[in-house]
Amino acid sequence: NAGVTQTPKFRILKIGQSMTLQCTQDMNHNYMYWYRQDPGMGLKLIYYSVGAGITDKGEVPNGYNVSRSTTEDFPLRLELAAPSQTSVYFCASSLQGNNYGYTFGSGTRLTVV
Amino acid sequence: QKEVEQDPGPLSVPEGAIVSLNCTYSNSAFQYFMWYRQYSRKGPELLMYTYSSGNKEDGRFTAQVDKSSKYISLFIRDSQPSDSATYLCAGGPGGGADGLTFGKGTHLIIQP
Repeated sequence: NAGVTQTPKFRILKIGQSMTLQCTQDMNHNYMYWYRQDPGMGLKLIYYSVGAGITDKGEVPNGYNVSRSTTEDFPLRLELAAPSQTSVYFCASSLQGNNYGYTFGSGTRLTVV
Repeated sequence: QKEVEQDPGPLSVPEGAIVSLNCTYSNSAFQYFMWYRQYSRKGPELLMYTYSSGNKEDGRFTAQVDKSSKYISLFIRDSQPSDSATYLCAGGPGGGADGLTFGKGTHLIIQP
């Protein structure tokens, strides 16, 4: 049982490049989330999904896109990377939304130069 | 308004001490409260969750919520060096799916 798996673990992007952060979970959770964590700033919600085919914006969605074609996968797309997107990105999943908490992946550390 | 306030620390205590970590929140709609532990360069892991006001105990950990004062606490008894980590508190409305709101985390150091 792998839980929530994120790839890659580390990535360096140049300004203007694009990339997709992968997230997959094997717990059959309907709810999935993307957060970013900046030093001293806590976790900020980027996008979330309540099931396949359904996504919605969180607190800081600008510069990102998501899709949810299957229950298991919730990729995060960065278009035209900017230095402000340098952060650690965490994917999480939950069986019942806010109830009982989330299971987080190990994160993707992204640097934009 | 969705805010959870938490002292960033660091909080340094000797091994074996009782640790008290605290948060305040502003959103009256919050019904679920969680504590996560995050080791350096790792993802947060769920320690405890509570619903509404009250206490919940799990081994050396006790979570306490006072909704009347919008105050969340985590107590760690017989603290160990392995408890050294950043502790994140979080809250969210009942039945909601639009994401928990997290505090910035308190960095805890347990001195051997």
